[in-house]
Parts: sequence; C-alpha cells; structure tokens
Amino acid sequence: EAEVAQSPRYKITEKSQAVAFWCDPISGHATLYWYRQILGQGPELLVQFQDESVVDDSQLPKDRFSAERLKGVDSTLKIQPAELGDSAMYLCASSLKGGSGANVLTFGAGSRLTVL
Amino acid sequence: SQKIEQNSEALNIQEGKTATLTCNYTNYSPAYLQWYRQDPGRGPVFLLLIRENEKEKRKERLKVTFDTTLKQSLFHITASQPADSATYLCALENRDDKIIFGKGTRLHILP
Repeated sequence: EAEVAQSPRYKITEKSQAVAFWCDPISGHATLYWYRQILGQGPELLVQFQDESVVDDSQLPKDRFSAERLKGVDSTLKIQPAELGDSAMYLCASSLKGGSGANVLTFGAGSRLTVL
Repeated sequence: SQKIEQNSEALNIQEGKTATLTCNYTNYSPAYLQWYRQDPGRGPVFLLLIRENEKEKRKERLKVTFDTTLKQSLFHITASQPADSATYLCALENRDDKIIFGKGTRLHILP
C-alpha cells in the first residue's frame, strides 16, 4: 500500500536553530498539505499546495516558516529560527480527488519536533 | 471565525455498547465532512466521509450522520471493542479543497 514518507521522524533542536522537514507524497497526488499538531489538539493547517503552487498559507507564520514544492512532487517545510512554541508534530498529507469529489487525506507518520 | 467543536475531550464506553461522538461547527459551509482515527504518535487515518446532501453513511460498525441545519455530525461505533480506543477527529472540507480539523475526542473502550 502506498505511503506518504516523512523525515526525520524525530528532531531535537535548540531555539534559534534552523529546522527542515521533508515529505514525499503518494505518487500522482496533486494536493499536499502540511499540518502542525500540538499534543492534545487537532491538526492545524499550515500550508496547502496544488501541484507546485501554494493554494493556502494563511496560517503559516511567514516570518519564520517557509514551505516549497518546487517540482510539484516532494515538499520541504522549514523553520528558522525555531522557538520553544514550535514544539509539535508536523504532519504531511496528500490527496487525490476521488469520484465523490472529496479529498481523502493520506497522512505520513509525522515529524516530532522538540525545541529546547 | 470558523470553529469546529467535538463534544468532549474524552469518552469512556463499556465494551459492546455504542459509542457516539459529536462534531459541531459554526461559520462554515462544508461540502464534505470526514472522520479520521488517530493512534498515539501516528498520523490520522481516514475512516468515512459524508457529503453535504447526504444524511447518513455506514461502513461495517461505523455510522455517520450529517445535519447541515443543526451544523452537526454524529459518529457512531456499534458493538465497541477495546481496539476501537483511539482519538477520533472530525474534519470539514470546503469547495477549495481546504480541510480543517477539530480537536478530537479520545475514546476509551473499557473491557
């Protein structure tokens, strides 16, 4: 069964350092999402791509976060500089619109970030 | 602002009973409503979706209802088992493919 690959699984960093997360979606999935999930909360949408274009990044803290999907396949989410409040699970998901017209998300295992 | 509320943070249900989870939303007109299951330390997994013009959907022991007038969805697990213990997330999708999630409800099925 096809999977969304994410790396690294775990990252511990000190505040003010730079951090990068990588996501490889399921082949052929045009839509890619990055979510942030704080422990005990639901996933919060950071950025949504359609192929290589950003569709929605209204909740992305653009002073320190950036995301790209240059060739419309894999994607990178970067944080610079990291702050204590960035400690969370970063989830990548991809989707292909089904016959119903809905986007069913397939999530990766996530990248857990701890900022010290 | 758009808001999704899931009825409680945690729910304890006796094994064999029906678990019912609630999802309410405001300031939103979703085209679809989806339910996901999330186990600790893992990404959410899709379970069921229902369209705005559908009232009910079923899949094995799962049933979802959708009332766009009340702006509410109910998610039922019948004949619940300890293996059903997890966090269940409600998600709304609009016509721009944007999908937002509720906080989730932690369900514990007690043996």
